Amino acid sequence: GAGVSQSPSNKVTEKGKDVELRCDPISGHTALYWYRQSLGQGLEFLIYFQGNSAPDKSGLPSDRFSAERTGGSVSTLTIQRTQQEDSAVYLCASTTRQETQYFGPGTRLLVL
Amino acid sequence: GDSVTQMEGPVTLSEEAFLTINCTYTATGYPSLFWYVQYPGEGLQLLLKATKADDKGSNKGFEATYRKETTSFHLEKGSVQVSDSAVYFCALRHTDKLIFGTGTRLQVFP
Repeated sequence: GAGVSQSPSNKVTEKGKDVELRCDPISGHTALYWYRQSLGQGLEFLIYFQGNSAPDKSGLPSDRFSAERTGGSVSTLTIQRTQQEDSAVYLCASTTRQETQYFGPGTRLLVL
Repeated sequence: GDSVTQMEGPVTLSEEAFLTINCTYTATGYPSLFWYVQYPGEGLQLLLKATKADDKGSNKGFEATYRKETTSFHLEKGSVQVSDSAVYFCALRHTDKLIFGTGTRLQVFP
């Protein structure tokens, strides 16, 4: 069965450009999470979608970051006017109402 | 706020050595506790979990016991293999978010 997929797997961009990262969760999973894994800083929660509820955006580091989840399935994380400190691996996870979160392989973002 | 602290790596061991990776947490109430593993080039995978005090999670020879009195969830394995080389993350879940430690890299040499 298909797991969580993310695209692109790698993204190199120039400072100031916008980027979009995509996550396809496991079919039927109602909850979707975005995390950021920065070098030496572990995993940092960014945003959480649960069903039709308003997303929990408490982890977004600035207003340059936003995310959408269309039709309760695919999600896109957008970073506007990228900065070098945005370079990281962006991880997506999905789950049912049970506790185990299943992670995608991540998108490695490098901002030059 | 809630937080997880785990020992810094890298941890370097010879094959068949005993492994301990320390993890302590700070949280209100009674969170669920997890160990995730990230093998080279792969995504995060759940290794084991425990949902209440004194529970022991186990998988693939790894074990961790939820110790409320010491707020700890140390990961142990009696005999590591080269294939165990990976980054290990301790995490807690309180409400709906996972809060992770910074990860500990384990390197096992033959």
